[in-house]
Amino acid sequence: QKEVEQDPGPLSVPEGAIVSLNCTYSNSAFQYFMWYRQYSRKGPELLMYTYSSGNKEDGRFTAQVDKSSKYISLFIRDSQPSDSATYLCAMSAVTGNQFYFGTGTSLTVIP
Amino acid sequence: DTEVTQTPKHLVMGMTNKKSLKCEQHMGHRAMYWYKQKAKKPPELMFVYSYEKLSINESVPSRFSPECPNSSLLNLHLHALQPEDSALYLCASSSGRSANPNEKLFFGSGTQLSVL
Repeated sequence: QKEVEQDPGPLSVPEGAIVSLNCTYSNSAFQYFMWYRQYSRKGPELLMYTYSSGNKEDGRFTAQVDKSSKYISLFIRDSQPSDSATYLCAMSAVTGNQFYFGTGTSLTVIP
Repeated sequence: DTEVTQTPKHLVMGMTNKKSLKCEQHMGHRAMYWYKQKAKKPPELMFVYSYEKLSINESVPSRFSPECPNSSLLNLHLHALQPEDSALYLCASSSGRSANPNEKLFFGSGTQLSVL
């Protein structure tokens, strides 16, 4: 079993839709949870960061962490064509200098 | 400033060439990473430096040689690469300090490497 599971999609939505992206994980030691946006042939850009459980909101983006279910989500409201990218979840424990990535979900927002 | 700077952005090299990738950060981070990423795959860890010492080597072939000259700089020396080594090479950094060492990971924009 992989440490982090993420539905690879692809996901295609109309402009203005609400997008939900999800990851599950198996390691209860994970405490830091990140979402990255990656455009083709570019480095991943840190979009959202959450420590432990809870919600975090930044503009059109909301990140949720449910440690009891080992499940994290990223919601994108009022999706725009510029949101078309691959979204990677990542997580880490307190020690070890290791980050564990999902496989990425490819999102296309159609104008 | 949350920037990790990588040069060059693109590199084409033959199998007998020697080249180097460079990475720089000025966030005071003490952990620096090299990742390799193939198309439609997540980043794959190659090396980790913690406080300028190599702490993780994920069984990477010796044709890849990392170097950390100081706390802000990270190099990846390339020699006798194979066509299958063509990929996006990403540098990243995180705090690495005893308080919240793995809080966030910041990536550079990457070097797109093609080996002919």
